[in-house]
Amino acid sequence: DQQVKQNSPSLSVQEGRISILNCDYTNSMFDYFLWYKKYPAEGPTFLISISSIKDKNEDGRFTVFLNKSAKHLSLHIVPSQPGDSAVYFCAPGDQGGSEKLVFGKGTKLTVNP
Amino acid sequence: DAGVIQSPRHEVTEMGQEVTLRCKPISGHDYLFWYRQTMMRGLELLIYFNNNVPIDDSGMPEDRFSAKMPNASFSTLKIQPSEPRDSAVYFCASSSSARNTYEQYFGPGTRLTVT
Repeated sequence: DQQVKQNSPSLSVQEGRISILNCDYTNSMFDYFLWYKKYPAEGPTFLISISSIKDKNEDGRFTVFLNKSAKHLSLHIVPSQPGDSAVYFCAPGDQGGSEKLVFGKGTKLTVNP
Repeated sequence: DAGVIQSPRHEVTEMGQEVTLRCKPISGHDYLFWYRQTMMRGLELLIYFNNNVPIDDSGMPEDRFSAKMPNASFSTLKIQPSEPRDSAVYFCASSSSARNTYEQYFGPGTRLTVT
């Protein structure tokens, strides 16, 4: 049973446009949410996070939105750049448990010049 | 900071052989995680340690898999005997509860191929 779903395996956008990556979760105990970025032949690297007490967190070109009632979060990248081409993972966790994260299967973003 | 170090980066072995993957976490981190990435299952948590003690090994697929953390700076994941379906990329990650960010730092991974 997948607790975290990233229903779009891939996404292709033009340079300069907005990229929107989506993530749905089922576990209502999740109270913090991380996004990771992964390039080929490298380990995932942390990108941005949001806690359940917020509905938006912004860091430069990256913004994460959280809709707790819908158990949905999204990552917006604007403007998109070719260097953003990577696999993006949604990874929520539960503060009451431990430092453990549950990773989605990822969305491969391709930004075309 | 050298980051999380994993060795070897690539491992090719024959079915039935023992495989040992190694990880050195970031100094000062008190959590260590082992993950496996496959096309079918994505990035799945195998086991994690807190202060060198295994906390949750429910993700370890079979008794053929074992993990140890003899000290704060070293961990191993062993597969004995290995099977072709164990072929995957294995990641080690570490984190610090003192930071209160839940951010995990990943190593570059070990690509395992079992023929």
